This record gives sequence, structure tokens and C-alpha cells, in this order.
Amino acid sequence: LAKTTQPISMDSYEGQEVNITCSHNNIATNDYITWYQQFPSQGPRFIIQGYKTKVTNEVASLFIPADRKSSTLSLPRVSLSDTAVYYCLVGPSGGSYIPTFGRGTSLIVHP
Amino acid sequence: NAGVTQTPKFRVLKTGQSMTLLCAQDMNHEYMYWYRQDPGMGLRLIHYSVGEGTTAKGEVPDGYNVSRLKKQNFLLGLESAAPSQTSVYFCASSPWDRRNNEQFFGPGTRLTVL
Repeated sequence: LAKTTQPISMDSYEGQEVNITCSHNNIATNDYITWYQQFPSQGPRFIIQGYKTKVTNEVASLFIPADRKSSTLSLPRVSLSDTAVYYCLVGPSGGSYIPTFGRGTSLIVHP
Repeated sequence: NAGVTQTPKFRVLKTGQSMTLLCAQDMNHEYMYWYRQDPGMGLRLIHYSVGEGTTAKGEVPDGYNVSRLKKQNFLLGLESAAPSQTSVYFCASSPWDRRNNEQFFGPGTRLTVL
């Protein structure tokens, strides 16, 4: 399974764009990149998933360069409610996938 | 749809006692998972199941047993609880889908072992 590396923590202010980068140097050809968000005392929640280039939904964008050795989760115009831990996971879609959550990135948004 | 539910929400055990955590999902998902999360840590996979009647070990399986007799239920058992098993336990489920591996999580069970 591809190992991921993320910053332990990040700080931002309301209204700013936040970019969280995840490194996954040994990503396999059939691996997808998935991001989850976790609020205190809650289970993680799926945010976005992608394979290459750019994926955008109503919550975030995911940028994946051509070599796929890293990915960047972009949160536009964050608010206080975006304060959470963000996890990057890498693994095959479907099949016998054993997900591995690291420690994630703790994002704190300040007023 | 209720999604993924967990029972109980809180529990306090004494060392050596046993208990079973119940996870139920109503989305007809093939895969189900049990994780534990300790303070300041990410989630660590305990056991998982790829279908009714099947189970497999995850990253930290020691001290736990699981059963999946029905597709919608995944039980996590502690035969002899230890203080090191004090944690928050999350259950999750996901469909078998080649296009995504999104997991749906329950609200968690906070377990304290004294």
C-alpha cells in the first residue's frame, strides 16, 4: 500500500483558500487518492476522490500532477466550520482495499 | 436511510469484562470495517469484512474478535477488556464499486476500560 505524508497541522483565517498537500511517492497505477474530513467526536466524512488532473465538487478541489506522486486538496474561502482533521488515503478502487489512515492534517481556521 | 449506526454510544468496563459492539448499515454495502482512534492519532483498522460470513485482520486485531453473520451487521467483541483498549471505536461500510471506495462512518462508540 502506498504510504502518505501530510503536514501535521495548518492554520488559516476565514475567507482564505487553504491547500493541503499529500505526498505518495510509491503510488500504484491503479490507486486512487481519497480525502476525508473529521470533526471532533464524529466519524470521518468523504470529501473527494480522484485519479489524475483535477476533480472539483461543491466542497473542494483535488489537484493531481501528471506523475501522481503528490496531491493537493484545495478548500476555497474557508470558514470556522472547516476546522477539522483532513486525511489523505491512497489505494485501489473497489476490490480488496484495506484503507490506511495516517494522523492527518489538523486545520485550524481563525476568525 | 439511517446510514451506519453503532450501539452503544458510550460504555465503561472493568478490566477483564467482555462486551460486544454492534454496527449496522442499511445501504446494502459489501464491505464493513472496525477502527479504533486514540487521542491525537488517526484511525487504525482492527478488522474488516468483504462480505457476509467473511472477516479479516487489520492493523491492530489482537484482543478483538468480529463476526458478520448478516450482511447488514458487523459485530466487534472484546473477550477480556484491558485498559489499553480504552478508545473511540468507529465502524464504516463501503460498496464494492470500481469507481470509488468511499467509506461511510458511524458516530462512534466511546469505550473506557478501568
